[in-house]
Amino acid sequence: SQQGEEDPQALSIQEGENATMNCSYKTSINNLQWYRQNSGRGLVHLILIRSNEREKHSGRLRVTLDTSKKSSSLLITASRAADTASYFCATVDSGYALNFGKGTSLLVTP
Amino acid sequence: DTEVTQTPKHLVMGMTNKKSLKCEQHMGHRAMYWYKQKAKKPPELMFVYSYEKLSINESVPSRFSPECPNSSLLNLHLHALQPEDSALYLCASSPRDRGVHEQYFGPGTRLTVT
Repeated sequence: SQQGEEDPQALSIQEGENATMNCSYKTSINNLQWYRQNSGRGLVHLILIRSNEREKHSGRLRVTLDTSKKSSSLLITASRAADTASYFCATVDSGYALNFGKGTSLLVTP
Repeated sequence: DTEVTQTPKHLVMGMTNKKSLKCEQHMGHRAMYWYKQKAKKPPELMFVYSYEKLSINESVPSRFSPECPNSSLLNLHLHALQPEDSALYLCASSPRDRGVHEQYFGPGTRLTVT
């Protein structure tokens, strides 16, 4: 079942700019993950943040988690054309299934 | 080897055909998953296998039949599909089915039912 809602649904920026995507969810979570999908192919795991963490970094990625607001954000700094993809947040509750949000489609133009 | 492979990449089948999708991983993961993804939508969970046993079936129609012959392989048998079953079918694996784990996805099989 889908739990997360990303916004914006689509985002278009130029290379070098930062991209911020937001994700909201409805129930308590164990952890929240962000995935990237290029052109309808397989998903690639980007970063995982646990429910007791507030912020996490990985290279050009920064993820925040606010469990009181049930929301997360993904910041991609200094975007590149290769970052063009769909980005999904996925929550995990006490079980094992990933509950995906609707996704944000990011276009980075040279 | 941190790769999940899926075959075939593309599949076109008629509504009366029987076909199978295959997924393989050699990371020693004990949980494997099938997802269905329609265009411009997020993946939807279909099945979860944990230690080669089916642990989750998300009310998937019986025309989809999963099979886990061993810890590295996952099949999805297809029979009497409908055109609305056309989608990208994604396989994924993770170390365990519970706990804090990322999932590793294969590239998917794009299925077209005619």
